[in-house]
Amino acid sequence: EPEVTQTPSHQVTQMGQEVILRCVPISNHLYFYWYRQILGQKVEFLVSFYNNEISEKSEIFDDQFSVERPDGSNFTLKIRSTKLEDSAMYFCARRQGRWQPQHFGDGTRLSIL
Amino acid sequence: DAKTTQPPSMDCAEGRAANLPCNHSTISGNEYVYWYRQIHSQGPQYIIHGLKNNETNEMASLIITEDRKSSTLILPHATLRDTAVYYCIHVYSGANSKLTFGKGITLSVRP
Repeated sequence: EPEVTQTPSHQVTQMGQEVILRCVPISNHLYFYWYRQILGQKVEFLVSFYNNEISEKSEIFDDQFSVERPDGSNFTLKIRSTKLEDSAMYFCARRQGRWQPQHFGDGTRLSIL
Repeated sequence: DAKTTQPPSMDCAEGRAANLPCNHSTISGNEYVYWYRQIHSQGPQYIIHGLKNNETNEMASLIITEDRKSSTLILPHATLRDTAVYYCIHVYSGANSKLTFGKGITLSVRP
C-alpha cells in the first residue's frame, strides 16, 4: 500500500487563526481528497481535487476552506479562520488512477482552543 | 447518508474466520463495493473491492451475491490486530468517487 504522509500529526491553534494541513504527494497520483472525522463521528468527505482543480466539494467545505497543490508540491488544506467546531482529525487520501482505490494518510489532529 | 447497512458489532475468536456482512440493496450496476477498516483513530485502510465477481487478496476475500445486493468480507484467520471498525461502501469508480462512510461494523477479536 502506498504510503501517505501528512504533516503535522497534531496542530493546536487558537480560534480565528489560519491553519494549513499538508499531504506529501506521490508524483504519479492524480486524484486527491480531504476528509475529516470529528471525535466519535463518521468520516466525512470534504473535497476532491483532480488536474489542479476542485472536482467536487461537500457542504462542509465553505468559503473558509481552500485547497491547492502548487507546482506539484504538497497538497494542502487551508482553513482561514478556524472555529471550535473545526476540531477534528483531517485525513488526506490519494488515488493513482480512476480505477484504483483511495489510500489514506494517518491524519492530522486539529485542536482549536 | 451512507447507503449500506451493517450490524453495529460482532466478535470472533483469534485464529478463526471473521465473516462481516453488508447489505447494499440500492447499489447500481456501475458501482463497486469497497471495504475499508479503521484501527483506533488511524486513517481508513483499504482492504479490497469488487464489482460482481468474488475477489481475494492477501488481506481478505470478498463474496458478492449474484444480485449484488449484499456482500461478505472474510478475514480467513483473524488476529488481535484485526480488531477495528470495518466499512462497506458502494461507489461509482469514476473521476470523483467520494467515499461515503457509515458507522461501520466494530469487529472485536478475542484471544
